[in-house]
Amino acid sequence: QVQLVQSGAEVKMPGSSVKVSCKASGDSFNSYGFSWVRQAPGQGLEWMGGIIPLYGTANYAQRLQGRVTITADKSTSTTYMDLSSLRSEDTAVYYCARHKYPPGFYYAMDVWGQGTTVTVSS
Amino acid sequence: QSVLTQPPSVSGAPGQRVTISCTGSSSNIGAGYDVHWYQQLPGTAPQLLIYSNTNRPSGVPDRFSGSKSGTSASLAITGLQAEDEADYYCQSFDSSQTGVFGGGTKLTVL
Repeated sequence: QVQLVQSGAEVKMPGSSVKVSCKASGDSFNSYGFSWVRQAPGQGLEWMGGIIPLYGTANYAQRLQGRVTITADKSTSTTYMDLSSLRSEDTAVYYCARHKYPPGFYYAMDVWGQGTTVTVSS
Repeated sequence: QSVLTQPPSVSGAPGQRVTISCTGSSSNIGAGYDVHWYQQLPGTAPQLLIYSNTNRPSGVPDRFSGSKSGTSASLAITGLQAEDEADYYCQSFDSSQTGVFGGGTKLTVL
């Protein structure tokens, strides 16, 4: 049974960057899609982007394009989400999730990480 | 403003049936992409509830069911229980090659 374990909480200054990791264990990594989803306090879920490690290229939500970079390290079965030019509105819980079937993002997300709280504050 | 539209809240008494709607467009649900539903209990990560419009992952009670028609989808919960009180989100895919979510619906069990 695959598990996703994310890195710990972060507190960042406005204008800086944050990089959150998500390590997968227990099942094949390369061919599945992995997405990043965030949730601001009291708000709904927002799909940020995703990557299929086998192909290496990522898709991004248009409103975050240019600020978000999603990468994957096949040697450690880890995916990363890097968000730059942070502002207060980026304060949220960030989740990684694996899509149920390889190799697309149109499948449901059936395994979720525990979430990483990122707080942007001066 | 979410790409998929859900009612902000629904409520029902124990034992009753409630439905949650999810309305999209011709570039997502109407383009033939599947709809998935997630349940989120307070302070926890979302959990997959229904996948590919109508399918329940193992362990999800058959009180939960999903349907899809045209540019919309629905989640139905029968025999409402106190433990069903949670936030529910629909999710699909868009022809712009991005995932899209509904704004979420808070279910209150009266």
